[in-house]
Amino acid sequence: EAGVAQSPRYKIIEKRQSVAFWCNPISGHATLYWYQQILGQGPKLLIQFQNNGVVDDSQLPKDRFSAERLKGVDSTLKIQPAKLEDSAVYLCASSLVLGGNTIYFGEGSWLTVV
Amino acid sequence: GENVEQHPSTLSVQEGDSAVIKCTYSDSASNYFPWYKQELGKRPQLIIDIRSNVGEKKDQRIAVTLNKTAKHFSLHITETQPEDSAVYFCAASITGYALNFGKGTSLLVTP
Repeated sequence: EAGVAQSPRYKIIEKRQSVAFWCNPISGHATLYWYQQILGQGPKLLIQFQNNGVVDDSQLPKDRFSAERLKGVDSTLKIQPAKLEDSAVYLCASSLVLGGNTIYFGEGSWLTVV
Repeated sequence: GENVEQHPSTLSVQEGDSAVIKCTYSDSASNYFPWYKQELGKRPQLIIDIRSNVGEKKDQRIAVTLNKTAKHFSLHITETQPEDSAVYFCAASITGYALNFGKGTSLLVTP
């Protein structure tokens, strides 16, 4: 079974620039998550989708971060403009149904803002 | 919201010894408690999970215990091996909501 796919794997940008990350969840998985993992910390939820609807985006810094999941499959997370503190790994994850089932993570997109 | 505390932040054991990592959670409504293992530069991978209707679960050398009254759960690894070296994260959630993670425990198993 194919896993959660993410791209790009690595990105270096200057502060105030923009960046976009793409995620393709496991086929058939209705729930998709974006987590931010700062070095040395646990993953922190940014946004949770159920199909193409947002379930929880309470921790998403909406002044600079946006995410969409058109057609309920792939998702894109955008940061504009980036700040130094956005340097982190952005992990996409998916699960078959909403809540309670195993969550599978992608390898992550490593962002460095200089 | 849910707050998950994890201890210790680092743990070093000799190969063959046991390792125990402890987590506490704040929301008594949480009912799902997974543990993830993350090797350097890799994705977090589920190693074991437990639901609130169960007090203990075991899978070979790994076990998890849950005390709902005290709102804490623990990961036990017996007969540790060098390949167990990694960062371990506990998490808690309410069914239907995303996982809330602890800050992680860096486990080092020395030969």
